Amino acid sequence: DGGITQSPKYLFRKEGQNVTLSCEQNLNHDAMYWYRQDPGQGLRLIYYSQIVNDFQKGDIAEGYSVSREKKESFPLTVTSAQKNPTAFYLCASSIAPSSGNTIYFGEGSWLTVV
Amino acid sequence: AQSVTQPDIHITVSEGASLELRCNYSYGATPYLFWYVQSPGQGLQLLLKYFSGDTLVQGIKGFEAEFKRSQSSFNLRKPSVHWSDAAEYFCAVGARNAGNMLTFGGGTRLMVKP
Repeated sequence: DGGITQSPKYLFRKEGQNVTLSCEQNLNHDAMYWYRQDPGQGLRLIYYSQIVNDFQKGDIAEGYSVSREKKESFPLTVTSAQKNPTAFYLCASSIAPSSGNTIYFGEGSWLTVV
Repeated sequence: AQSVTQPDIHITVSEGASLELRCNYSYGATPYLFWYVQSPGQGLQLLLKYFSGDTLVQGIKGFEAEFKRSQSSFNLRKPSVHWSDAAEYFCAVGARNAGNMLTFGGGTRLMVKP
């Protein structure tokens, strides 16, 4: 089945640790995105990538980093610099980066700081 | 920059009743408009989208939405709600010719009474 796979589904992080969330898609999409979701605040864009080996900051990139070494993979690292990382993280992709293309979402990953 | 407002945080309707979820956007030109649905702890699924042309858009699961330029609105409707429609609904706006980044509203949580 074609789709977007995020792992792990649940992740606990200690203070001061970096953690990496995995996102893999087999849809052959060029563009990939990371959103953060907090209760009552909708989704906010962290980073996006329009093509391999290129990515841009979204609205809330501070404390996060990404890489795009392969078309199908767009991992997100939540660094210790992110002051409030507990949230639901959603990876997404679209066939092309041009506006209007449907964005498809993965099932999300819950990150909790303990 | 564009913005989206969903005025109703929670809505409760009886099963079989009609539904209208409100969405107002702010954008200097005609935007792309989307409605997504999210079940608890899951990713987002696209219900419908407006690009141009007919202002009444049909989507999946019996939903429709109407783009009203004069009111800057894109309200989602369903004539008869089913218990399985209980979920959170997000309206999103995308700018034309500015990449494929969406701005999301804060969401409306729909509860369905038996």
